[in-house]
Amino acid sequence: NAGVIQTPRHKVTGKGQEATLWCEPISGHSAVFWYRQTIVQGLEFLTYFRNQAPIDDSGMPKERFSAQMPNQSHSTLKIQSTQPQDSAVYLCASSIGVGSQNTLYFGAGTRLSVL
Amino acid sequence: GEKVEQHESTLSVREGDSAVINCTYTDTASSYFPWYKQEAGKSLHFVIDIRSNVDRKQSQRLIVLLDKKAKRFSLHITATQPEDSAIYFCAASIGSSGNKLIFGIGTLLSVKP
Repeated sequence: NAGVIQTPRHKVTGKGQEATLWCEPISGHSAVFWYRQTIVQGLEFLTYFRNQAPIDDSGMPKERFSAQMPNQSHSTLKIQSTQPQDSAVYLCASSIGVGSQNTLYFGAGTRLSVL
Repeated sequence: GEKVEQHESTLSVREGDSAVINCTYTDTASSYFPWYKQEAGKSLHFVIDIRSNVDRKQSQRLIVLLDKKAKRFSLHITATQPEDSAIYFCAASIGSSGNKLIFGIGTLLSVKP
């Protein structure tokens, strides 16, 4: 079991460019979560999917951020027109289920740097 | 919105002493309280959790206490070792479904030999 796999590990973009981050959850896990980690804000919830369906995107900045889960083996987080304040480590996590079974297994993260 | 506050941003203890990290939460519906550890340069991994039907849970040197009335929970690490040095995050489930976790900002624990 390779755990949650996130690619790329590091991404550098210029202001205004698009960034797509990829996540492969642990096989058999039904829930996928995206978090953003910064020194100032800590871990911020962005969105989550259960059985590939979007359930809660209340943490997603509107307009520029979008997430998809086209199949059970991967999810993407897309940031359009990146801004310097988007610089952060983006963490993907998966869990077997939700509710009382929601121990999250985190990936290593993608460090996004917007210049 | 609902919040989880982690009261100690940094904590330094001597090897062998105990360390205590305190968190409070705002959502009265929170029922699940996990703790995660992040070592330098690595991602988070689960260490211990507690559910709202109990007020104490122990796993080896880790003890979690939950006070639902005060909406407070804490992680106690006994007989600390240098390898306990890391950032510790508390979290609480949000809403009656409990499907989403909100995290505290993290506590940097340093265990000095």
